[in-house]
Amino acid sequence: NAGVTQTPKFRILKIGQSMTLQCAQDMNHNYMYWYRQDPGMGLKLIYYSVGAGITDKGEVPNGYNVSRSTTEDFPLRLELAAPSQTSVYFCASSYSRESNYGYTFGSGTRLTVV
Amino acid sequence: AQSVTQLDSHVSVSEGTPVLLRCNYSSSYSPSLFWYVQHPNKGLQLLLKYTSAATLVKGINGFEAEFKKSETSFHLTKPSAHMSDAAEYFCVVSENSGYSTLTFGKGTMLLVSP
Repeated sequence: NAGVTQTPKFRILKIGQSMTLQCAQDMNHNYMYWYRQDPGMGLKLIYYSVGAGITDKGEVPNGYNVSRSTTEDFPLRLELAAPSQTSVYFCASSYSRESNYGYTFGSGTRLTVV
Repeated sequence: AQSVTQLDSHVSVSEGTPVLLRCNYSSSYSPSLFWYVQHPNKGLQLLLKYTSAATLVKGINGFEAEFKKSETSFHLTKPSAHMSDAAEYFCVVSENSGYSTLTFGKGTMLLVSP
């Protein structure tokens, strides 16, 4: 029972480089989310998706892009990495649109931009 | 709009003493409320959730929380702290309106001393 799988676990990027953070879930959840976590700030929503082919911006979408071609996968793309994107990124999924079942989180990707 | 305020950034207790982590919320609709726990360098784990049923909610590892609408609070308690409870705790709200997503508090770090 894998749940939500994120890769890589750690990454160091140089300013201006690009990368894709991978997220996959095997629970057939329609809803998927990307959050970033910064010390003392809780988690902020970057993008979310309510199903394959449908995505929408969250609270802090600038500098990121997403796609959702399948139910299972929800990659997050950083096009021009900046130091402000140094953070821990969490992918999550949920069964219900009302989200009252809570989310299942991945173990996170720790990204450093230097 | 929804928001959540965790009233303490750090709480220190001794092992065997009660734990109280305070949370106030704001929501335009009847909310769902959650507590998540994050151990160092780990992902987030759901402790418990309130979804308009009983106002006293029991979760895992002996934690419980009480929904008080008149006080807009959802404080987390545990009668007796264990060393393994040392972690960061997040109070989370969802408005259950449309494509509502989770809004996280900034977190409370629980420190447990022997």
